[in-house]
Amino acid sequence: DSGVTQTPKHLITATGQRVTLRCSPRSGDLSVYWYQQSLDQGLQFLIQYYNGEERAKGNILERFSAQQFPDLHSELNLSSLELGDSALYFCASSARGGQGTGELFFGEGSRLTVL
Amino acid sequence: AQSVTQLDSHVSVSEGTPVLLRCNYSSSYSPSLFWYVQHPNKGLQLLLKYTSAATLVKGINGFEAEFKKSETSFHLTKPSAHMSDAAEYFCVVSDLGNNDMRFGAGTRLTVKP
Repeated sequence: DSGVTQTPKHLITATGQRVTLRCSPRSGDLSVYWYQQSLDQGLQFLIQYYNGEERAKGNILERFSAQQFPDLHSELNLSSLELGDSALYFCASSARGGQGTGELFFGEGSRLTVL
Repeated sequence: AQSVTQLDSHVSVSEGTPVLLRCNYSSSYSPSLFWYVQHPNKGLQLLLKYTSAATLVKGINGFEAEFKKSETSFHLTKPSAHMSDAAEYFCVVSDLGNNDMRFGAGTRLTVKP
C-alpha cells in the first residue's frame, strides 16, 4: 500500500460529460502529480501541484483542470469528454517539490471509460 | 530535454533464469534515473534509483541496475526470475534538479513456469 488513495476506481460516462477524480496523497507529502496512461500514448505527465500551488504542467488538455486544496488532497476535472480520454489516470505524491528529486508514490489509479 | 528509450516492449523468460530489461537515456546534464514496476491493476512502485552516487544500484526484490555513462544506459537485471516478477517495468530519467521526469514506453516482462 503506497498510502495514496484515488477515487473512484472505475468510472463509465458518456461523451460530452464532465467527471472529477480525487486523490489523497500520503500523509505529509506536499506534492501531487497527475498522470494519464493509455495504450497508444503510454504514461503521460499532466500536471503537478505543490502545497496548493501549480508547480509544473505537462501534456494537459485545456478541457482538463486540477487543483490542490488546503488539506493537500487534489482533484482532476475532465470536461467535454471524448472517446480518446478513456484511460487510466494516476495520482502520485512525493515529499519534495520536484519530480526528479525523489521517489513518487503512486495510487492505484482511476479507470475512466468514455462511451 | 531528456528522454528515455526502452529497447524491448516485451521480454519473456523462464522462471529461475536471468532477467535483462534494457534502457538507454538522453540527458543534457547529470541525470537521475529510476526503474518503476507496475503489477496488473496496480499503481507504479519504485524499484531503484540512481542519483550520481554508486553506479551499481541495488533495489527491491533482488533487482539491480548499472549506470553506464559511456553507453548512456541503465539496464535492469535480476539473476533469477520469479513468477511474481511478471509485470510492466518503466525506466525514467530526470535531469538533476529539473522538475520533469520522462517515462519510457515500458517493458512487459512475462515469466514462464
